[in-house]
Amino acid sequence: GQQLNQSPQSMFIQEGEDVSMNCTSSSIFNTWLWYKQDPGEGPVLLIALYKAGELTSNGRLTAQFGITRKDSFLNISASIPSDVGIYFCAGQSWNTGNQFYFGTGTSLTVIP
Amino acid sequence: SAVISQKPSRDICQRGTSLTIQCQVDSQVTMMFWYRQQPGQSLTLIATANQGSEATYESGFVIDKFPISRPNLTFSTLTVSNMSPEDSSIYLCSVDSGQGYGYTFGSGTRLTVV
Repeated sequence: GQQLNQSPQSMFIQEGEDVSMNCTSSSIFNTWLWYKQDPGEGPVLLIALYKAGELTSNGRLTAQFGITRKDSFLNISASIPSDVGIYFCAGQSWNTGNQFYFGTGTSLTVIP
Repeated sequence: SAVISQKPSRDICQRGTSLTIQCQVDSQVTMMFWYRQQPGQSLTLIATANQGSEATYESGFVIDKFPISRPNLTFSTLTVSNMSPEDSSIYLCSVDSGQGYGYTFGSGTRLTVV
C-alpha cells in the first residue's frame, strides 16, 4: 500500500518553541488527517482537512491541506510538555477505496 | 465521535497459540477497520470488516492468519493465529466517525509473543 513520507522523523525542542512538521505523498488525496499517539494509547484525531488550501486550527495546533493535494503541514505553537508524543498524518483518496494511509510518524520531545 | 472499547489492552502469549481481540463500539457503524502497528512503526491496515460479509484483507494479510468476525454493527473480533514473535505488535481497531471526526481508534492491544 501507499506510504506517506513524514518529516522530520523526530524533534527535540525547548518548551515554548514552535514546531512544524509535514507529510508528502506521490498521490493526490481528498482528505488529510493529523493524529497524536501517546505511549500505550491509540491515535487521537487532532485535525481533519477536506479541501485543498484549507487551513484549520485546534487550539495551539494549525494544519493546512496543501494546494497540490499531495501534502499537508502541522504546526504547534508555544509547545508545552504534554505535547510529547508521536504525530501521524493520514491521507485518503477516493481512488483507494476510502482507505486511510498513514505517515511514518514524527516523534516530538519537549524539554522543560 | 464514536467511543471504542478494545480488549485485552495487552497480553503476553506463547508462540503457536492464538489470541482473539475484541472491539466494541458505542454506536452502529458500517465498516470497522483493523490495524497493526509494529514497534516504532506506523499503522498498517490489516483488513476492513463489514457486517454480513467476509472481511476484505490488504496485501500481505490472509484470513487464515487473521480471521475476523463481524456479527453485528457494533462489534468485531480479530484473531491472531499460530503466533510467532514477529506478530508482536499493537493491534488497533478503528471506525469512521463521519466527516469532521475522521477515523476513531481504540486504545489498542499490545501483544508480545514469546
